[in-house]
Formats: sequence, C-alpha cells, structure tokens
Amino acid sequence: EIVLTQSPGTLSLSPGERATLSCRASQSVSSNYLAWYQQKPGQAPRLLIYGVSSRATGIPDRFSGSGSGTDFTLTISRLEPEDFAVYYCQQYGSSPVPFGGGTKVEIK
Amino acid sequence: QVQLVQSGAEVKKPGASVKVSCKASGYTFTSYYMHWVRQAPGQGLEWMGIINPSSGITTYAQKFQGRVTMTRDTSTSTVYMELSSLRSEDTAVYYCARAYGSGSYNPWGQGTLVIVSS
Repeated sequence: EIVLTQSPGTLSLSPGERATLSCRASQSVSSNYLAWYQQKPGQAPRLLIYGVSSRATGIPDRFSGSGSGTDFTLTISRLEPEDFAVYYCQQYGSSPVPFGGGTKVEIK
Repeated sequence: QVQLVQSGAEVKKPGASVKVSCKASGYTFTSYYMHWVRQAPGQGLEWMGIINPSSGITTYAQKFQGRVTMTRDTSTSTVYMELSSLRSEDTAVYYCARAYGSGSYNPWGQGTLVIVSS
C-alpha cells in the first residue's frame, strides 16, 4: 500500500512569503493521481489541485502543484491571509490510506 | 451549482448505529461515484469507502468492513452511510465527497458531526 508523508508538519510564514509543501509517497503514484486540499477550521476540505498540477475551478493561480513518481510539491507563490490553513495531499489507488497527514501553514 | 448537503449532527450511545445522509444536486447523480471520509477531532482525514450511485456497488476500507453500509436512493439523489456498533473512537465529522478528475474528491459535503458518548 502507498503511504503519503507530508512535510513539514507545520510551516510558519508571513503574508507575502512563498510556501513550499512536500508530499512524498512510499511507492510511485499511478497515472499522476495526486491531489491537494485546503482545510480551514470548522470547514470541509476544498480541492485545490488534481492530477498533480491542474487547478480546480476558482482556485487562484498563486497555487501550483508539481512533481511525479514519489515526490510532489504544492507551492503558494505569495501567501494571502486566507491561505493560512491545513493542507492535505491525496493519492488515488488501492491504498486504504489515501491521505497524507497534513501540513499546517500558520502565521509567523 | 454542484452541491452536497448532509444531515445534521447526531449524538449516539456506544453500541448504537448512526445513519448519515448526503443529498446531491446540480449534476447527474448516477454519473459520479461518492466517497465517505471521516475526521476525528484534531486529526487527519480517513477514507471509509465508496459507492457507485448507478449500480449501488460499494467498496469499504478494511477497517470498517462489517460495520459500515453505504446505500443510495436514486429517486432523491441521496447517498447514505450507516455505521454500527459505535464506540467512542467513532466520534468524528463524517463527510461525503464526490469523485472528481484524476481520482480527486470534489466537492465535499459540509460534514456531519457524530458524537458517541454514554
């Protein structure tokens, strides 16, 4: 089974800074089935990126996804106040644990 | 617009069952699989299973096999998730989420809080 490990656990940054979040898979992710979600307190997760690098409808272009195989990255080019949240990566396949453990992006 | 609206919060005693509903609108209900995901307080996301609304065929995470049942009602565009033999560790927010492109989940329901307490 594929296990996703996200790092760092917490990222402390200031508005306007660049955020780089990592998601590493224990095995190669098939067909680039890798997505990223944003979750704010008390809210449901929201899809940001699917298929490694495609932005979901309505997602600002400051969010971008990249990577292949086992190493994937979510980049937020310039943090806005509303971007401070928890981010999860997710892979699609036969693994019973499709989600990574999350990275919290907090205000420094 | 595509929307998933879930039923309200529940408080259950250990050993009881809970049934959560998820009503879909804004798209052809039978054309997209539906996932169920839960999140315990302060924890990450845990996949529970998936249902094909067209056929009713389900796949459950092994952890929940024997305790979870997912069903659908095509006349009302609603999927259901029933979890039995509840224990305190089942206290969580339960989400439905539509299958989307490249294996992703979009959108998500607003979540249903289930509290298991004696």
